[in-house]
Amino acid sequence: DQQVKQNSPSLSVQEGRISILNCDYTNSMFDYFLWYKKYPAEGPTFLISISSIKDKNEDGRFTVFLNKSAKHLSLHIVPSQPGDSAVYFCAASVDFGNEKLTFGTGTRLTIIP
Amino acid sequence: GAVVSQHPSRVICKSGTSVKIECRSLDFQATTMFWYRQFPKQSLMLMATSNEGSKATYEQGVEKDKFLINHASLTLSTLTVTSAHPEDSSFYICSAREGANYGYTFGSGTRLTVV
Repeated sequence: DQQVKQNSPSLSVQEGRISILNCDYTNSMFDYFLWYKKYPAEGPTFLISISSIKDKNEDGRFTVFLNKSAKHLSLHIVPSQPGDSAVYFCAASVDFGNEKLTFGTGTRLTIIP
Repeated sequence: GAVVSQHPSRVICKSGTSVKIECRSLDFQATTMFWYRQFPKQSLMLMATSNEGSKATYEQGVEKDKFLINHASLTLSTLTVTSAHPEDSSFYICSAREGANYGYTFGSGTRLTVV
């Protein structure tokens, strides 16, 4: 039972344009969400997070949007840069203090120069 | 920032042998450490959660006698894959957090190949 889903396994975006990565979840108890970036043979690196009390969080080129009614979140990267090419995972937990993260299946983002 | 060191990065072992993977928090004390496994093109799946000084909590379907987890200190957790089989070949990643109000820091992962 995949509680966190990333339905696009891959995405290609032109350099300088906006990259939009999507994530859906089924567990209504999730109220804290995170995005991680991962290069091959490396551990994930934290990018940005959002609590369910917000619908948007921004950090530089990265913005995460949360639509609780739709159980959907998205990560926007603008402008996209070649160094952004990686696999992106969304993750969720029941609350920030909860230890367990549930990960999505990942989306491979390729930025085309 | 917080750093988690994981060793070895790659290991090849013969079927039936045991392999130990170490996960260290270098600049913070990790009250909780987590072990994940990732098969090719799949998500990171949580295997177990370990708290310093107590027994690990395993996720459903993970054999605790096969995947031995020890969290003997606030900076070190080890995962031992016992009697490894080819189907145990995977990418294992640890993560740690200093406490409930801190984020998760991941190690660089260990690629295990059982031949």
